Amino acid sequence: DADVTQTPRNRITKTGKRIMLECSQTKGHDRMYWYRQDPGLGLRLIYYSFDVKDINKGEISDGYSVSRQAQAKFSLSLESAIPNQTALYFCATSDPGRAEAFFGQGTRLTVV
Amino acid sequence: GENVEQHPSTLSVQEGDSAVIKCTYSDSASNYFPWYKQELGKRPQLIIDIRSNVGEKKDQRIAVTLNKTAKHFSLHITETQPEDSAVYFCAASGVTGTASKLTFGTGTRLQVTL
Repeated sequence: DADVTQTPRNRITKTGKRIMLECSQTKGHDRMYWYRQDPGLGLRLIYYSFDVKDINKGEISDGYSVSRQAQAKFSLSLESAIPNQTALYFCATSDPGRAEAFFGQGTRLTVV
Repeated sequence: GENVEQHPSTLSVQEGDSAVIKCTYSDSASNYFPWYKQELGKRPQLIIDIRSNVGEKKDQRIAVTLNKTAKHFSLHITETQPEDSAVYFCAASGVTGTASKLTFGTGTRLQVTL
């Protein structure tokens, strides 16, 4: 089945370290997104990309960067991790003309 | 940008009862309103959606209503079952172009008790 795959699934890192979360998809969708989930705050958009040459900031992009290496790959980096970036991170994809989002399994990141 | 508010944050119902979750949105240009269900430890998955040219949509025990004038939409679950226990998120977006990025509500934790 076509899917959205995130690696790693769980990660513990230290304050100040650089970390990359990876997302790959076999759905053939052009659009990819990174969301962050915190209890009581829902899913908040960090960055999104509508094609390989298009990168856009979401509502909470500070402290994060992204790279769209190919249509199927979209990576999220924390340049210098801090404890309040501890959260569950989701990658998602969608088709142009359809807003339905398909989510990856999530990456639980803990910054100590 | 779009802002979506969702209420209540938690909801407990007895099995067989109905559950209603309500959302409001701010951007009158939004025209796509999906609902996602997230079971414990799982990814959010779409359960139903509605577009602005429709006022109501049903799928078995689940229905969504939309009032564009008031900018609110609701999820209705009838005859609730234990497997309905999950966190539910509403969202809003445009459908095409740069508007097609979802803004989510803060979620409702639904617990169905026996």
